[in-house]
Amino acid sequence: GAVVSQHPSWVICKSGTSVKIECRSLDFQATTMFWYRQFPKQSLMLMATSNEGSKATYEQGVEKDKFLINHASLTLSTLTVTSAHPEDSSFYICSATCPGCGSQEETQYFGPGTRLLVL
Amino acid sequence: GQNIDQPTEMTATEGAIVQINCTYQTSGFNGLFWYQQHAGEAPTFLSYNVLDGLEEKGRFSSFLSRSKGYSYLLLKELQMKDSASYLCAVLDSNYQLIWGAGTKLIIKP
Repeated sequence: GAVVSQHPSWVICKSGTSVKIECRSLDFQATTMFWYRQFPKQSLMLMATSNEGSKATYEQGVEKDKFLINHASLTLSTLTVTSAHPEDSSFYICSATCPGCGSQEETQYFGPGTRLLVL
Repeated sequence: GQNIDQPTEMTATEGAIVQINCTYQTSGFNGLFWYQQHAGEAPTFLSYNVLDGLEEKGRFSSFLSRSKGYSYLLLKELQMKDSASYLCAVLDSNYQLIWGAGTKLIIKP
């Protein structure tokens, strides 16, 4: 159980375009999802925490108008990178907690990640 | 501030045992996680400790000492596929996960 999927796995886009990344919990309902960014050879950086039906909580330094997060259902959260630029090129990973999955409630289960390359 | 320290890189030999240490200073403590992350992939959950002591799970064990702010991940009978980064993360008093920078483990034949 506790499988999280992401789509797409790879995105290459031109500078100035917007890119939407989907994160789905496949076999459980995720009231809380997290969005991370990871640059090469660096640790995970939490961008925002997303709760179903409410506005996302962004970490300091993350522009909420540039990284739009929508958690419209208990199984889907989306991250839209608006007007992407080359410096936004990174590995974007979502995760979700799974209450009732049998392990500690705060355990985060990660999606496979989305590699974004902005030309 | 909140801080998690773990070695940047470690090297070990196939078949051997390796211990990856993690020390933390956080505002409150609600548990410590270890995750494994292979290059180019997302992290996968390995273990969770909230009480002092050793938790064994197959070839992997995780130890916690809350009084010392210390944990370690012990990997036995190392296999080449264990080459990965190992991330230590602490859940603070606000239930926010504080991540370490990760330890890159290199396994040599």
